[in-house]
Amino acid sequence: LAKTTQPISMDSYEGQEVNITCSHNNIATNDYITWYQQFPSQGPRFIIQGYKTKVTNEVASLFIPADRKSSTLSLPRVSLSDTAVYYCLVGGHGSGNTGKLIFGQGTTLQVKP
Amino acid sequence: GAVVSQHPSWVICKSGTSVKIECRSLDFQATTMFWYRQFPKQSLMLMATSNEGSKATYEQGVEKDKFLINHASLTLSTLTVTSAHPEDSSFYICSARDLGAGRYNEQFFGPGTRLTVL
Repeated sequence: LAKTTQPISMDSYEGQEVNITCSHNNIATNDYITWYQQFPSQGPRFIIQGYKTKVTNEVASLFIPADRKSSTLSLPRVSLSDTAVYYCLVGGHGSGNTGKLIFGQGTTLQVKP
Repeated sequence: GAVVSQHPSWVICKSGTSVKIECRSLDFQATTMFWYRQFPKQSLMLMATSNEGSKATYEQGVEKDKFLINHASLTLSTLTVTSAHPEDSSFYICSARDLGAGRYNEQFFGPGTRLTVL
């Protein structure tokens, strides 16, 4: 399973766009990139997933360069309720995949008023 | 979307007792569930993979005789912390894969169970 590296913490203000970059230099050809969000004392929640280029949904965008060795989660116009820990995970599919997720340290985002 | 529940949401027990935590997939069947442990200010640590109808697969360093996992049906996995000690106090979280979901290997997480051992 590819190891990921993220900044430990980030600060932002309400209304700003936040970009969190994750490095995954050893990503394999069949690996997808998935981001989860976790609030204190809750289980993580899926945010977005991608394989290459750009993916956008109702809450975030995910930018993946051509070499796929990194990815950037973009949160537009954050609010106080976006204060949470964000985890970047990579994992592959196929018959040998157990499906297990290995969480890195995550990025604690603090949104200030 | 798929929902995973856990019971109890919190439990306090005396040292030496055993505690059982349930994880249920409410609206989908899950042949595979996962159990994590999370200490304060730390990330989730995968403890084991729970497989319906077979033995669980434990991660390195996790004592299988202390953390008993049973996955007796497609919607229920249980984690029993045997002879609990204060160092077992933690936040236990389960997750389940919905193979019918559109996204690859998306896992749905339960709300967690806060275990405090006195």
